[in-house]
Amino acid sequence: DQQVKQNSPSLSVQEGRISILNCDYTNSMFDYFLWYKKYPAEGPTFLISISSIKDKNEDGRFTVFLNKSAKHLSLHIVPSQPGDSAVYFCAASAVGGGSNYKLTFGKGTLLTVNP
Amino acid sequence: DTAVSQTPKYLVTQMGNDKSIKCEQNLGHDTMYWYKQDSKKFLKIMFSYNNKELIINETVPNRFSPKSPDKAHLNLHINSLELGDSAVYFCASSPNIGSTDTQYFGPGTRLTVL
Repeated sequence: DQQVKQNSPSLSVQEGRISILNCDYTNSMFDYFLWYKKYPAEGPTFLISISSIKDKNEDGRFTVFLNKSAKHLSLHIVPSQPGDSAVYFCAASAVGGGSNYKLTFGKGTLLTVNP
Repeated sequence: DTAVSQTPKYLVTQMGNDKSIKCEQNLGHDTMYWYKQDSKKFLKIMFSYNNKELIINETVPNRFSPKSPDKAHLNLHINSLELGDSAVYFCASSPNIGSTDTQYFGPGTRLTVL
């Protein structure tokens, strides 16, 4: 039962353009969302997060948007750089739901930024 | 100066064997985790320890036994290895138990069971 879905296994964009990675969730108890980035042969590293009380969080080139009614979030990278090429994992947790220590991850989207 | 380290990086073994994967963090965190990333690429939590105490045990077969000798270490011992255990295992740590705390991951251990 996939509670966090990343339906695009891969995405390819040109350097300088916007990358948009999408994530859908099914569990209405989820109220905290994170994006992790993973390079080959390395562990995931935290990128950005958003609480359900917000609909947008920005950190430099990275912005996460949350649409609670659609149970959808997206990560925007502007401008995209070749060094952004990695697998991006969406993750969610139910902080207010009593299991605030458990992250549920999606399958990841491989982003390739072409020079 | 690796924050979360795992050994070994690769592990190839026969079915039925017993093996261990070690994890150490030098971040002073109270909470450590084991995740499994299987062939379908899902990253799933297996165990979590907070201050050496088991907090999460996600319906993992009891052939898997985590051991936390101290806050900085969380080792994973697997008995009677099966083909389906082949996966990449990631250790992680966070300052405290809440999932709003950033989790820092190790580089992973690729386990192949033949």
